[in-house]
Amino acid sequence: KQEVTQIPAALSVPEGENLVLNCSFTDSAIYNLQWFRQDPGKGLTSLLLIQSSQREQTSGRLNASLDKSSGRSTLYIAASQPGDSATYLCAVEGSNYKLTFGKGTLLTVNP
Amino acid sequence: GAGVSQSPRYKVAKRGQDVALRCDPISGHVSLFWYQQALGQGPEFLTYFQNEAQLDKSGLPSDRFFAERPEGSVSTLKIQRTQQEDSAVYLCASSQQLGTSGGLSNEQFFGPGTRLTVL
Repeated sequence: KQEVTQIPAALSVPEGENLVLNCSFTDSAIYNLQWFRQDPGKGLTSLLLIQSSQREQTSGRLNASLDKSSGRSTLYIAASQPGDSATYLCAVEGSNYKLTFGKGTLLTVNP
Repeated sequence: GAGVSQSPRYKVAKRGQDVALRCDPISGHVSLFWYQQALGQGPEFLTYFQNEAQLDKSGLPSDRFFAERPEGSVSTLKIQRTQQEDSAVYLCASSQQLGTSGGLSNEQFFGPGTRLTVL
């Protein structure tokens, strides 16, 4: 059974700092990995999707990497802003289409 | 539509009541998923539809949970005889994908969720 772990569970940083969120998964037989953002009381917003054949994806200040063989992904956020404060979720898609999620990292960026 | 919509956004039910949660996927999306998110946890898979066919319902926690998508677009998740442990946010997602070899995107787009509270 696929298990996804996110470290750290919570992170508080001052505005402007670069930061890295970590995600690991136990079964490397995945089709893709997605990073989502979730604001309190809201649904999930897709940030980046990395197909299993890719190593990384970039969108603005966000960069996600994937090392499928070692079962790891990182989400790098450059020059963090208070508006980046949210819970960040990592999810992997297996052969059965369903996403398996981690518990998330709660990020607080302080002005 | 512009995105996935869900209704109601909030639902309070007394224990033992039946509830029905609605999901309108992005127009033209073949695949539809339901997830359950307990407080402080990541979402967990409930069930998956490809068009009107329910291909996987392995995540439904009990036979009190039932989902349908009769015309391959709108889906309803029904919970009978609700229990307190059913309290959670129910998320719906849709994607274009047809299958692992299909040429369409498998990125899942999520709705805002329905927060169910069972008293």
